[in-house]
Amino acid sequence: GNSVTQMEGPVTLSEEAFLTINCTYTATGYPSLFWYVQYPGEGLQLLLKATKADDKGSNKGFEATYRKETTSFHLEKGSVQVSDSAVYFCALSGGSEKLVFGKGMKLTVNP
Amino acid sequence: GAGVSQSPSNKVTEKGKDVELRCDPISGHTALYWYRQSLGQGLEFLIYFQGNSAPDKSGLPSDRFSAERTGGSVSTLTIQRTQQEDSAVYLCASSSDRGRHGYTFGSGTRLTVV
Repeated sequence: GNSVTQMEGPVTLSEEAFLTINCTYTATGYPSLFWYVQYPGEGLQLLLKATKADDKGSNKGFEATYRKETTSFHLEKGSVQVSDSAVYFCALSGGSEKLVFGKGMKLTVNP
Repeated sequence: GAGVSQSPSNKVTEKGKDVELRCDPISGHTALYWYRQSLGQGLEFLIYFQGNSAPDKSGLPSDRFSAERTGGSVSTLTIQRTQQEDSAVYLCASSSDRGRHGYTFGSGTRLTVV
């Protein structure tokens, strides 16, 4: 079945540091890939998405590129801010309609 | 509505009692999903509705859990004879395209069974 494996953390960074959160997937066919973010005390929000190979999703300074050859969708940001402190989930949607999520990674950014 | 609305936002119940959790999806969204988020367990799929029917109930943990959707809109998740291990945040989401472009999530119901 479909599955997502991502870095679990927790990770603590200083403001303006570079962020990479690794995500790899297993799926049949051509899934859509997503990053969701959950800020403290809030619900899940869609951060970015990519629906086909080589697509790059981007939002709020975050980027992720759909790499079919490496079955990856790593999330990157060049300079994190305190306000980026949250839990980040990688997810895929492939054929069965339901989203399959990774376990999430808690990021804390210190000033 | 403008977003996915869930109620109540918090629920504390005694072990053995029944609870009902409500989800009001975005107007016009035909697909509705329930997930459970337990501490340290990530996001666990429970059930998926397309219209009023549930093609995939594979994630319901036991027969104490049931869900229905009426009028292609509001959904209710019912947990009978609650147990402490049912304590979690129950999240509802909806989409217009079977999840191909992602879901919109509600803020969740935090259920605590004491």
